[in-house]
Amino acid sequence: EIVLTQSPATLSLSPGERATLSCRASQSVSSYLAWYQQKPGQAPRLLIYDASNRATGIPARFSGSGSGTDFTLTISSLEPEDFAVYYCQQRSNWPPYMYTFGQGTKLEIK
Amino acid sequence: EVQLVQSGAEVKKPGESLKISCKGSGYSFTSYWIGWVRQMPGKGLEWMGIIYPGDSDTRYSPSFQGQVTISADKSISTAYLQWSSLKASDTAMYYCVSGLRSEYFQHWGQGTLVTVSS
Repeated sequence: EIVLTQSPATLSLSPGERATLSCRASQSVSSYLAWYQQKPGQAPRLLIYDASNRATGIPARFSGSGSGTDFTLTISSLEPEDFAVYYCQQRSNWPPYMYTFGQGTKLEIK
Repeated sequence: EVQLVQSGAEVKKPGESLKISCKGSGYSFTSYWIGWVRQMPGKGLEWMGIIYPGDSDTRYSPSFQGQVTISADKSISTAYLQWSSLKASDTAMYYCVSGLRSEYFQHWGQGTLVTVSS
């Protein structure tokens, strides 16, 4: 089973600052990696898929990069609504196609 | 517009059975995989399993294999997650998920809160 490790667990920043979140896989996941945002009391929302493609309606300040085992989600300039928990997720490249999530990074207001 | 609408919150006792549902609309139900994701109180997301309604091909996370059953009724565009004997540790929010790409969860239901308590 592929394990995804996110860092840091908590990131404290101010609006307007740049956020960099990391997701490391225990083995290569090629580029099949996604990022989700979850706000309190809400279902998660897909932000980024295929490591670097923004999902429909996602603002340009969100960007993803990486391949293989190391991935990054960057928020270029934090807006108040961006403070939330972020999860990375992958699906294995071979049958029987197992999915895993990282443990999450909480982005909080400093 | 793709929508996944889940059944309402449930309060059950340990040992009871339960089946929750997720109705898809706005797309071809038999063409998208539908999965289930658990979120225990204050915790992260855990993938439980997935089903392809077109042929009922079903996959389970090893952590949930044998603990739950995933099924689908394509005639009413509805997927199900069921337990035969609930435990207190099954208390969680359960989300159904789907998407055109099987690798990711583009669409999420609103969640069903299951509380198991004596």
